[in-house]
Amino acid sequence: ELQVVESGGGLVQPGGSLRLSCAASGFMFSSFWMTWVRQAPGKGLEWVANIKQDGSEKYYVDSVKGRFTISRDNAKNSLYLQMNSLRAEDTAVYYCARRCSSGCIDSWGQGTLVTVSS
Amino acid sequence: DIQMTQSPSTLSASVGDRVTITCRASQSISSWLAWYQQKPGKAPKLLIYKASTLEIGVPSRFSGSGSGTEFTLTISSLQPDDFATYYCQQYNTYSTFGQGTKVEIK
Repeated sequence: ELQVVESGGGLVQPGGSLRLSCAASGFMFSSFWMTWVRQAPGKGLEWVANIKQDGSEKYYVDSVKGRFTISRDNAKNSLYLQMNSLRAEDTAVYYCARRCSSGCIDSWGQGTLVTVSS
Repeated sequence: DIQMTQSPSTLSASVGDRVTITCRASQSISSWLAWYQQKPGKAPKLLIYKASTLEIGVPSRFSGSGSGTEFTLTISSLQPDDFATYYCQQYNTYSTFGQGTKVEIK
């Protein structure tokens, strides 16, 4: 069964760092672009970052450029999001997701909550 | 950046109603548009991709149309399980979501 499971969320102070992880199973992880999408409490969905199959291309929403880094380890079927210089506005549920071949998102994790607060 | 604008923001409807949600892109995105359904506390679920292609397992009462800058999601006969929030997403250039349309019980 296709599955992506996020971990690593929690409470962090403004200016702090957090690393999210996503474990993928049930599909050929190395063959797919992967993505992170977030959703602030009570708000809509916001795309955060994409990474190509081999990690050679990475794209970010403007609001996280220079602060967040997406990466992957195909040997471990894992996706990561390193988040530095966190701000209150980064508070959200972060979803790890698989991109379909055309670019849509066809599989989502259950999400992990990141709360940035003092 | 490509902006996506959904309308309406909230829609009140009854079981059996035909429902249409509109999504407009700030510039042409060809047919690179997807629709998702999200229920409270759950991850979004893909309904339609490439503007009009139904994802496997999604009921045929859902349909999508449009290209360029104007797109619609139609539910032909609203069912109790369909009360949820719906999002469009463009993936022509990076990715952007619409702000969502909440379909609630009238």
